[in-house]
Amino acid sequence: GQNIDQPTEMTATEGAIVQINCTYQTSGFNGLFWYQQHAGEAPTFLSYNVLDGLEEKGRFSSFLSRSKGYSYLLLKELQMKDSASYLCAVRDSNYQLIWGAGTKLIIKP
Amino acid sequence: ETGVTQTPRHLVMGMTNKKSLKCEQHLGHNAMYWYKQSAKKPLELMFVYSLEERVENNSVPSRFSPECPNSSHLFLHLHTLQPEDSALYLCASSQDGEGTGNTIYFGEGSWLTVV
Repeated sequence: GQNIDQPTEMTATEGAIVQINCTYQTSGFNGLFWYQQHAGEAPTFLSYNVLDGLEEKGRFSSFLSRSKGYSYLLLKELQMKDSASYLCAVRDSNYQLIWGAGTKLIIKP
Repeated sequence: ETGVTQTPRHLVMGMTNKKSLKCEQHLGHNAMYWYKQSAKKPLELMFVYSLEERVENNSVPSRFSPECPNSSHLFLHLHTLQPEDSALYLCASSQDGEGTGNTIYFGEGSWLTVV
């Protein structure tokens, strides 16, 4: 079967750095997405990786290793507003999106 | 105006009621989706419409019935639901095609409670 694994919950301190990991086993690969979802709101698009390596967007970076079936989202200079769930999703060979259950990130002052 | 809008935001319905969720996208996309989101579970794809034709059903119970009258509008008709259908229902859209990544953009969701 197809599977996306990510930690259920993480806690970090304001101003610090946190890395949220995502591992996947899918039938084929056509890209990996990260979304942010604040409580009670819609998921919003953060990043898209289709080639190996690091994509940087301001305080957020996303890394992909296709050979390892692994990605991480790196958040720097954490702010209280970064408290949210972070969803990892992989598009398989049929262009279906396979979703992880999300990682709830709690930021403490 | 946000890219994908959903109404109503909150809905409480009895098991014998009939109601509908509405979604409208203002992004010029050619594909629209209904997802179900339950606590601590991955997003579940319910229906996909591409160019106004349904392309996936994913074994959703017949008490959920989608309708896509045009590329900008999507409905989810609800009939004789069960309490376990209580969840957040998310509408989304994307632009299908080569090289686009097919990034999905979500609406703010409709919170459904079945009593």
